[in-house]
Amino acid sequence: AQSVTQLDSHVSVSEGTPVLLRCNYSSSYSPSLFWYVQHPNKGLQLLLKYTSAATLVKGINGFEAEFKKSETSFHLTKPSAHMSDAAEYFCVVSDPAGGYNKLIFGAGTRLAVHP
Amino acid sequence: NAGVTQTPKFRVLKTGQSMTLLCAQDMNHEYMYWYRQDPGMGLRLIHYSVGEGTTAKGEVPDGYNVSRLKKQNFLLGLESAAPSQTSVYFCASSYPGGAYTEAFFGQGTRLTVV
Repeated sequence: AQSVTQLDSHVSVSEGTPVLLRCNYSSSYSPSLFWYVQHPNKGLQLLLKYTSAATLVKGINGFEAEFKKSETSFHLTKPSAHMSDAAEYFCVVSDPAGGYNKLIFGAGTRLAVHP
Repeated sequence: NAGVTQTPKFRVLKTGQSMTLLCAQDMNHEYMYWYRQDPGMGLRLIHYSVGEGTTAKGEVPDGYNVSRLKKQNFLLGLESAAPSQTSVYFCASSYPGGAYTEAFFGQGTRLTVV
């Protein structure tokens, strides 16, 4: 069975400092991985996705994630946090075994950005 | 371009009441989903549909029913609301493009059952 674990429920950074949101996955085959962001009282927006074409994936708003098979990780990073990055972030793995695009969500990491 | 639209955005129900949440998408997607979001648990799949006229159970289907009479609409029904169904509900849609296909989400419906 596929699963994802987000290692931090809350992360707090100062504006202008780097962001690291950690995600480990468990998969019996080559996974499809996504990061979604949810701003307060909004729906979920796709930040980036791993499609096996490249291990370093660039997304919107300066975020990127690196797929590391040896560590079963897909951590999300950004060099310099902005106040507008404050949101909840979800690491997601897709499981196609059920015949549809089953998305399995991590519990989420809430990012706070302080001035 | 509306994308995925959910109606209503907020609702308060009394225990035992019924209601229907409406999801509409204008992207001609085959697949549609209903999720619930609870603190510390991410999103969990309630029901899904792989095409007009089809529905199937997800992880947490008990207490909910769904219908997909038109390709663009996916309805989620609560026949007899319970406080445990207090949650934020998200509808999503996607193409049947395999594992790398992302889902597009609505803005959510915040439901409180008192």
